[in-house]
Amino acid sequence: DAGITQSPRHKVTETGTPVTLRCHQTENHRYMYWYRQDPGHGLRLIHYSYGVKDTDKGEVSDGYSVSRSKTEDFLLTLESATSSQTSVYFCAIGTGDYGYTFGSGTRLTVV
Amino acid sequence: AQSVTQLDSQVPVFEEAPVELRCNYSSSVSVYLFWYVQYPNQGLQLLLKYLSGSTLVKGINGFEAEFNKSQTSFHLRKPSVHISDTAEYFCAVLRRTGGFKTIFGAGTRLFVKA
Repeated sequence: DAGITQSPRHKVTETGTPVTLRCHQTENHRYMYWYRQDPGHGLRLIHYSYGVKDTDKGEVSDGYSVSRSKTEDFLLTLESATSSQTSVYFCAIGTGDYGYTFGSGTRLTVV
Repeated sequence: AQSVTQLDSQVPVFEEAPVELRCNYSSSVSVYLFWYVQYPNQGLQLLLKYLSGSTLVKGINGFEAEFNKSQTSFHLRKPSVHISDTAEYFCAVLRRTGGFKTIFGAGTRLFVKA
């Protein structure tokens, strides 16, 4: 699937615990993105990266942080998970004008 | 700020019938436009895109879309749908200059009935 792997695919966690989602790509692409998908909202950008150690916030970044220490890995961390962060999280690579390639998603449930 | 409105949250249609999924956007600057498809339990796949040139864009699986600048619309069409087209479809917009942030619509669920 164009060399993007998200892990884990499913996770259930308790409120207040930290959670890290991983996105791994084998395309050597410079640009990577984290989106969350919620019914009625489509996809909303959380954070994005335009190179190693270069990241910036999207429209719904509160409560999330990211890190990119290697080109191939982009990590999304929920510092203290809340029920409002229950969602499906998608990683994507690409330059916007060519369109994105998405991973298969991580379904996160915060109880 | 950019926004994308998909006018129908669900579209039921019979197999072999034509379908149109509507998308309007608001932007004060020129944009690139996209349609993505999401099959159950999968990520999104690029269906087609408009960058410049001909306003009629053809994509995969027999879909096409027409860019209408005056109406700020980018509606997706298929003349004859199949059961396998059942999926959720997302319209998206990206500013032509200085943008990394693609904005997605809320999605339209296409349900094709036999």
